[in-house]
Amino acid sequence: ETGVTQTPRHLVMGMTNKKSLKCEQHLGHNAMYWYKQSAKKPLELMFVYSLEERVENNSVPSRFSPECPNSSHLFLHLHTLQPEDSALYLCASSQDGNSNEAFFGQGTRLTVV
Amino acid sequence: AQKVTQAQTEISVVEKEDVTLDCVYETRDTTYYLFWYKQPPSGELVFLIRRNSFDEQNEISGRYSWNFQKSTSSFNFTITASQVVDSAVYFCALSEQGGGSNYKLTFGKGTLLTVNP
Repeated sequence: ETGVTQTPRHLVMGMTNKKSLKCEQHLGHNAMYWYKQSAKKPLELMFVYSLEERVENNSVPSRFSPECPNSSHLFLHLHTLQPEDSALYLCASSQDGNSNEAFFGQGTRLTVV
Repeated sequence: AQKVTQAQTEISVVEKEDVTLDCVYETRDTTYYLFWYKQPPSGELVFLIRRNSFDEQNEISGRYSWNFQKSTSSFNFTITASQVVDSAVYFCALSEQGGGSNYKLTFGKGTLLTVNP
């Protein structure tokens, strides 16, 4: 079992659908992150949660809505997405602090049709 | 503002060759951390190394070695005697202090390394 688990691994959704991505970490970390990885672009930080509180929101469109019910779980709720939102969405967790490396999940490959 | 530049988009080598992946960064922070991650085809990013800005000692771990040079703002990664299993995308990243005690990573665009048998 990996430290950070993401489900589903693959998702195809229409532009009018509503879906959610799930992330779970078993490492006892207190910070969790959503990153977006598009082709030929650097990984983009979307949201940061620390102790279940959102501390960072990098100008992400409102069609992406994160939720962190506890320190082990992180969701990304999706609605009315655009084709350009198709990407690999990676979840990560870490202990708070500048020096701690983040542990990543395997990602959800999202395709918006 | 921060920036991480990995100028090599793709590198292709033959097995057993040595290969160096370049990383150049920009930051105004005096205290910062540098990372290398490996992303195999399965998708997850695998942590390889963390180095803080006050420690310029080079590091070797098996076939992997890292050369941190603050004077040139570079943190290069060398794989010695490459193997097919080394084929992956490699990311260099720089951390800065975010909100509160949290940090956030800024990633380079990655270098796709292909090791051919």
